[in-house]
Amino acid sequence: DAKTTQPPSMDCAEGRAANLPCNHSTISGNEYVYWYRQIHSQGPQYIIHGLKNNETNEMASLIITEDRKSSTLILPHATLRDTAVYYCIVPPGEGGGNKLTFGTGTQLKVEL
Amino acid sequence: DTAVSQTPKYLVTQMGNDKSIKCEQNLGHDTMYWYKQDSKKFLKIMFSYNNKELIINETVPNRFSPKSPDKAHLNLHINSLELGDSAVYFCASSLWTGGAGNTIYFGEGSWLTVV
Repeated sequence: DAKTTQPPSMDCAEGRAANLPCNHSTISGNEYVYWYRQIHSQGPQYIIHGLKNNETNEMASLIITEDRKSSTLILPHATLRDTAVYYCIVPPGEGGGNKLTFGTGTQLKVEL
Repeated sequence: DTAVSQTPKYLVTQMGNDKSIKCEQNLGHDTMYWYKQDSKKFLKIMFSYNNKELIINETVPNRFSPKSPDKAHLNLHINSLELGDSAVYFCASSLWTGGAGNTIYFGEGSWLTVV
């Protein structure tokens, strides 16, 4: 598995953009980057995934560097409900989305 | 409509007992999973089934036995429960077994406490 490194915690003011970084310097050319989050006492929730190009959906944007060694998840207007642990995951193999290995993630705290 | 539902949500039981956790998904997915989240919050895959066939079996004690009566259900049976089995168990499902965009949907978890 491509190992990922994330900061253990981050704070963000409500209404501001939350930018969550992830390093995955050993990622292979055909491996995707996935982001999930886990709100306290709930099951993990899929956010977004990408390979090379930047991606955007209704929840977030994913910016992947040109060398693919790092990425940033952007929550454009964070709300209190976005307080959660955010996981950056690079499953093995092409696509590889079926065997997720969760690390320690980043605890994002959104405050007033 | 709950996409992935699991029961019971909370379970407290004594060491040595046998217990089951049931899981059902109404998403029409072919693949289902069991994940375990321990006290340190690490979330690890245990099993994966595709259309009732076991495809992933991580290093899990034989006391844990998944059973998939049909592709919409994946139950987890645990024999001779030990203190170390205390954890949150998450059931999940996805449309297929791999490939890009294989979004995995998780249930709300079953909190197992062994005393």
